[in-house]
Amino acid sequence: GENVEQHPSTLSVQEGDSAVIKCTYSDSASNYFPWYKQELGKGPQLIIDIRSNVGEKKDQRIAVTLNKTAKHFSLHITETQPEDSAVYFCAATLSGSARQLTFGSGTQLTVLP
Amino acid sequence: DTEVTQTPKHLVMGMTNKKSLKCEQHMGHRAMYWYKQKAKKPPELMFVYSYEKLSINESVPSRFSPECPNSSLLNLHLHALQPEDSALYLCASSQGRGLNTEAFFGQGTRLTVV
Repeated sequence: GENVEQHPSTLSVQEGDSAVIKCTYSDSASNYFPWYKQELGKGPQLIIDIRSNVGEKKDQRIAVTLNKTAKHFSLHITETQPEDSAVYFCAATLSGSARQLTFGSGTQLTVLP
Repeated sequence: DTEVTQTPKHLVMGMTNKKSLKCEQHMGHRAMYWYKQKAKKPPELMFVYSYEKLSINESVPSRFSPECPNSSLLNLHLHALQPEDSALYLCASSQGRGLNTEAFFGQGTRLTVV
């Protein structure tokens, strides 16, 4: 089955700096890669996703890049703000699969004011 | 509307109690899921319903019993739980097939078994 590794497990940045979280996956058949943000006491919220036919996707301060050859994908947050502080999970799945998401282990991002 | 609603938000139950968790979505999604999440860990898949039929049971103990009364509702019936079952229980839904597999999560039910 799919295995997703996520690094780092914790990340502290100064407000205004950029943050990068990296994930690798094992199953070359996976073709859908979402990122979730989970604030304390809340459920995971989908913030951005990318499909395997695309190399990069941006949404305001958030971007995701995908390298299919190396089987890794990354989340980039620019101009970080204190409200970006949360746990971020990457995931991988085969589009259309009922088994759905294999999650990474999570990254606790802290943005220091 | 991309909302998945879970009730209750918090639940404390004894080991001999019977309780139910409820989940509702009105996005027309035909796949619904129960996940269990322990502190500082990613969500772990428990059950998948596809078109109101149970399609995946990830070897979950029988003290957890899922039910899908219709395409908008998902329940998780709890009986004779153990303290180690205390966790955040998350419901999610997705369109179910094809390319639109974005999964949306509810806010979860924080369950404490005493």
